Amino acid sequence: EPEVTQTPSHQVTQMGQEVILRCVPISNHLYFYWYRQILGQKVEFLVSFYNNEISEKSEIFDDQFSVERPDGSNFTLKIRSTKLEDSAMYFCASRSTGTDLYEQYFGPGTRLTVT
Amino acid sequence: SQQGEEDPQALSIQEGENATMNCSYKTSINNLQWYRQNSGRGLVHLILIRSNEREKHSGRLRVTLDTSKKSSSLLITASRAADTASYFCATDANAAGNKLTFGGGTRVLVKP
Repeated sequence: EPEVTQTPSHQVTQMGQEVILRCVPISNHLYFYWYRQILGQKVEFLVSFYNNEISEKSEIFDDQFSVERPDGSNFTLKIRSTKLEDSAMYFCASRSTGTDLYEQYFGPGTRLTVT
Repeated sequence: SQQGEEDPQALSIQEGENATMNCSYKTSINNLQWYRQNSGRGLVHLILIRSNEREKHSGRLRVTLDTSKKSSSLLITASRAADTASYFCATDANAAGNKLTFGGGTRVLVKP
């Protein structure tokens, strides 16, 4: 069964460093998402992406964040200058563009630890 | 409460019993989705119910939706130890891109 994959599974970085989190969505999906979950808290929406542009972004997704689909398979989230409060599990998700197909399928997540 | 709030926050049952959890939300929705998360792991999609549906089944799962009360319930029948996990509801309010808004989850412990 096709699934969303994410790399790395765990990233440790120092405050102020740039990180890139990578995702490979399900191959025939064209809507992509990033969410994050701070330990013990709710899953929060960051950004949605379709047709090579951002559809919607949350207040969390400030100028320090960017997304890119550099090729036909990868979808990346870049944090330019990490802060301690960016420590969280980051989830990528994708969904089909088929009519009435709204299910979002999540990857296993990347645990980001900022020290 | 915020969009997509589950209750109870935690539930402990014996194997074989049924587990019921509820989700309330505030805005109109296009659909509502339930997910399972094992400790520290990813989110597994369980079931989606559309705003024009009232009940849906998938294996041992039964989901109901009452749009007049802005609430949904997830029932897991004949629970197993492997059902131990956190369960989240997530609402799709049909915003651009169909972002999901998650609740705080219900932690379910199924004791063997």
